[in-house]
Amino acid sequence: DGGITQSPKYLFRKEGQNVTLSCEQNLNHDAMYWYRQDPGQGLRLIYYSQIVNDFQKGDIAEGYSVSREKKESFPLTVTSAQKNPTAFYLCASSDPGQGRVEQYFGPGTRLTVT
Amino acid sequence: AQSVTQPDIHITVSEGASLELRCNYSYGATPYLFWYVQSPGQGLQLLLKYFSGDTLVQGIKGFEAEFKRSQSSFNLRKPSVHWSDAAEYFCAVAPGGDYKLSFGAGTTVTVRA
Repeated sequence: DGGITQSPKYLFRKEGQNVTLSCEQNLNHDAMYWYRQDPGQGLRLIYYSQIVNDFQKGDIAEGYSVSREKKESFPLTVTSAQKNPTAFYLCASSDPGQGRVEQYFGPGTRLTVT
Repeated sequence: AQSVTQPDIHITVSEGASLELRCNYSYGATPYLFWYVQSPGQGLQLLLKYFSGDTLVQGIKGFEAEFKRSQSSFNLRKPSVHWSDAAEYFCAVAPGGDYKLSFGAGTTVTVRA
């Protein structure tokens, strides 16, 4: 089945530690995205990537980093510089080159930092 | 500033009753419009989308949405809700020519028996 996988589903870290969230897609989509979701705030874009080896900052990129070394993978690192890292993180992908703007989402990773 | 507004934070509806969720946007040109649904602790699922053409769009799970250019609205409707429709619903907008989505804050739907 085609889709997006995110792992792990739950992640716990101590303050001051960097943590990397995994996102893999087998939809052959060119574009991939990372969102942060907090209660009552909808989804906010962290980073996005249109093609391999290229990515751009979204609205709330501070304290996060990404890489796009393979088309199917777009890992997100939450660094110790992120002031409030506890949140639900969602990865998505789309195929804008084929005129398909709609994004497809993974199941999410809930990160708790204490 | 460009924005997406979902005026209702929470709606409670009886099973079998109709449901309408509101979405308004402020963009210069007609954007691409979407509705997504999210069950607790899950990712988002696309319900329907509007790019152009017929302003009444049919989606999955019995949902439909109507684009009204004059009101800058894209309201979601379902004639008869089921208990399984209890979830959070997000309206999303991609300004014409862009593929990044902007999301509303969401509307939580509770279905009572």
